[in-house]
Amino acid sequence: AQSVAQPEDQVNVAEGNPLTVKCTYSVSGNPYLFWYVQYPNRGLQFLLKYITGDNLVKGSYGFEAEFNKSQTSFHLKKPSALVSDSALYFCAVRDYDMRFGAGTRLTVKP
Amino acid sequence: EAGVAQSPRYKIIEKRQSVAFWCNPISGHATLYWYQQILGQGPKLLIQFQNNGVVDDSQLPKDRFSAERLKGVDSTLKIQPAKLEDSAVYLCASSLSEPTQYFGPGTRLLVL
Repeated sequence: AQSVAQPEDQVNVAEGNPLTVKCTYSVSGNPYLFWYVQYPNRGLQFLLKYITGDNLVKGSYGFEAEFNKSQTSFHLKKPSALVSDSALYFCAVRDYDMRFGAGTRLTVKP
Repeated sequence: EAGVAQSPRYKIIEKRQSVAFWCNPISGHATLYWYQQILGQGPKLLIQFQNNGVVDDSQLPKDRFSAERLKGVDSTLKIQPAKLEDSAVYLCASSLSEPTQYFGPGTRLLVL
């Protein structure tokens, strides 16, 4: 069965600095990988996905993620963080069904 | 394009009471999902519908949870009777061509 891990509960960065939110996965076949963002009292918003093709995937709001098959990772990145990026970020993997990580709280300080 | 709609947004009940949540997916989306998100955790799939048929309900606690999507559009999720541990956010999502799912705002349930 597939699984996904987000090793950091919390990530703090200063505004304008690059950010990385880590995700590793385990799946038997070729993975479908996703990143979602959740703002307070809101549902999950789709950011980006990897199905096949280019290892670097570009998504909404300037975010991108890099698929690394050898390291079974799909880290979320952004070159320059904004205070408004502060939210809860979920990595997910789909094989038979969708499995979500526990989430990483990103705080961007001005 | 309207997103996934859910109601109510918040619900407070006492244990052993029953509660129902409603979801209206994005128009034309054949697949509908219900998730449970307990505080501090990622969402966990409860049930998946394809049109009005159940595709996966393996993680649905069937002794107290039920869901239906009779006409293949709206869906309701019911809990009867509720337990304290059912306190969570219940998220509905829909998809047109899988695998991307689009989520509603959720219903926050508190069981006292």
